[in-house]
Amino acid sequence: AQSVTQLGSHVSVSEGALVLLRCNYSSSVPPYLFWYVQYPNQGLQLLLKYTSAATLVKGINGFEAEFKKSETSFHLTKPSAHMSDAAEYFCAVSDENYGGSQGNLIFGKGTKLSVKP
Amino acid sequence: KAGVTQTPRYLIKTRGQQVTLSCSPISGHRSVSWYQQTPGQGLQFLFEYFSETQRNKGNFPGRFSGRQFSNSRSEMNVSTLELGDSALYLCASSLTDSGGYTFGSGTRLTVV
Repeated sequence: AQSVTQLGSHVSVSEGALVLLRCNYSSSVPPYLFWYVQYPNQGLQLLLKYTSAATLVKGINGFEAEFKKSETSFHLTKPSAHMSDAAEYFCAVSDENYGGSQGNLIFGKGTKLSVKP
Repeated sequence: KAGVTQTPRYLIKTRGQQVTLSCSPISGHRSVSWYQQTPGQGLQFLFEYFSETQRNKGNFPGRFSGRQFSNSRSEMNVSTLELGDSALYLCASSLTDSGGYTFGSGTRLTVV
């Protein structure tokens, strides 16, 4: 069964510092990969999506992620953290057993990002 | 353009009761998925519907069921509630099953 591993349940950075959130997936077949963000008491917002068109994916709010097949990784980065980036971030992969449908996602456990002034 | 609307936002039920949660997708969206979010298990897939047909189902007991209506609105039902069913239930919709999914704000269910 596929799985998604997010290294670090909590990450703290200073405002203006680089944000790096790590995600590794278990599938040998490049699936669809996603990063979502969740603010307190809200649903999930799609940050970016990898669909094999390009290995470097740019998303909203200055975030980007690079797909590395050899490392089965899809780490999320942002060059300069802002206070408004404080939230929980989830990496997800579409389940290949369901014909590539993106309606069935397997999520990582999430990483809470804190941004210090 | 209205987003995905989930009602109610908060719900408190007693163990053994049943509950129905509602999801109104973005207008024109035909695909609806449901997820359960708990601190212990994280986000887990429940069901996926497309044009009134259940296409996929996650690994949940039969007490969890759902349906989708002709206007794409969806409901999920949980019967014989258990304390462990306390969670945030999220609904997401998309125009097709290959597009990005937009999530609602969720229904927070507390079972006492």
